[in-house]
Amino acid sequence: GQNIDQPTEMTATEGAIVQINCTYQTSGFNGLFWYQQHAGEAPTFLSYNVLDGLEEKGRFSSFLSRSKGYSYLLLKELQMKDSASYLCAVRDGWSNDYKLSFGAGTTVTVRA
Amino acid sequence: GAVVSQHPSWVICKSGTSVKIECRSLDFQATTMFWYRQFPKQSLMLMATSNEGSKATYEQGVEKDKFLINHASLTLSTLTVTSAHPEDSSFYICSAREPGRRGGGNEQFFGPGTRLTVL
Repeated sequence: GQNIDQPTEMTATEGAIVQINCTYQTSGFNGLFWYQQHAGEAPTFLSYNVLDGLEEKGRFSSFLSRSKGYSYLLLKELQMKDSASYLCAVRDGWSNDYKLSFGAGTTVTVRA
Repeated sequence: GAVVSQHPSWVICKSGTSVKIECRSLDFQATTMFWYRQFPKQSLMLMATSNEGSKATYEQGVEKDKFLINHASLTLSTLTVTSAHPEDSSFYICSAREPGRRGGGNEQFFGPGTRLTVL
């Protein structure tokens, strides 16, 4: 199984930067995903990391260190619409069916 | 591209009845779809992996006779909650992967979810 940990809640001010950390302990690893989920809606894909390093996509960046079992999602220039839950998910080691295990999610609240 | 739909978006039913939820990939073929359940303020819990043309693979603790999954075509998977009880009330979400998509193909695309309330 997978053990995926991320903070429960974070609060930040509009225009600021927030970093959401995710640590994982897995029997195998084949990719880490970040999803955004607004209340009552389905998750939407943000980023995918399988190699170490930083992936930048607009205001959002995601970092991975496989040796440390660690990732973070960086949200820059925060906007009110970024208030949501952010889910860290890990793909099973060598599963051919691409199963994902999700963390409990980090609720980010952006204040004016 | 990579749009997944679900129907219905919400349903209220009486205890003991069965409810069917459909998951469709609208613009791609999905040999594999996934069914999740999410309780309030909790994360997504994988229930089962739905494989086109074969039996679903259920996660530990999920009753396969209670949650019937059928993946009859490359664009449709159904989840039937049989003899529903109030504790089955939850947000059910399906997802699908678009294999062979240029530049990706690893991420899952989620449907909008179905909120089930069992009275």
